[in-house]
Amino acid sequence: GDSVTQMEGPVTLSEEAFLTINCTYTATGYPSLFWYVQYPGEGLQLLLKATKADDKGSNKGFEATYRKETTSFHLEKGSVQVSDSAVYFCALYGNKLVFGAGTILRVKS
Amino acid sequence: DSGVTQTPKHLITATGQRVTLRCSPRSGDLSVYWYQQSLDQGLQFLIQYYNGEERAKGNILERFSAQQFPDLHSELNLSSLELGDSALYFCASSVGLAGRGGTDTQYFGPGTRLTVL
Repeated sequence: GDSVTQMEGPVTLSEEAFLTINCTYTATGYPSLFWYVQYPGEGLQLLLKATKADDKGSNKGFEATYRKETTSFHLEKGSVQVSDSAVYFCALYGNKLVFGAGTILRVKS
Repeated sequence: DSGVTQTPKHLITATGQRVTLRCSPRSGDLSVYWYQQSLDQGLQFLIQYYNGEERAKGNILERFSAQQFPDLHSELNLSSLELGDSALYFCASSVGLAGRGGTDTQYFGPGTRLTVL
């Protein structure tokens, strides 16, 4: 079945550092890909999405590109802030939403 | 604020009991989804309803059931509760029926934290 693999956390960075969270997927066909973020004590919020190969999703300085050849959707941000500390989930939608295990990001000031 | 509301926010109950979790989707959304988030299983899709009808089932136990009412709100019923059912239960909604590779975005509610003692 469909699956998503994310890099294990926690990822700890200093403010203004570059962020990459790796995500790869296994799916038949061409799923839509998503990044969701969960702040402490809150529900999931959609961060960005891409629906076809080579699409780039972007929001709030975060970016991810749908790479069909490497089945990847890595999340990047050029300069992280303390307020970005949260859990980040990569997900795909084939015939249902399948989530990765989540990656905890901690940003120190 | 996603526009999806869930009640109650917290629920504490005992093993063997039955509880009902409620979800109101965003205005205009016809699909409702239920998810379970636990430390050992992560985020798991349970079930989807579209305009009152069950459309997709995931890893939902037989002790659990759900329904979507004519006003589109949904309820998740959990019975014969076990310690392992302690988790965060999320509801999400989307506009329509996202097919394979669908583009419908799911908007999540704040969740109900269930603790079974």
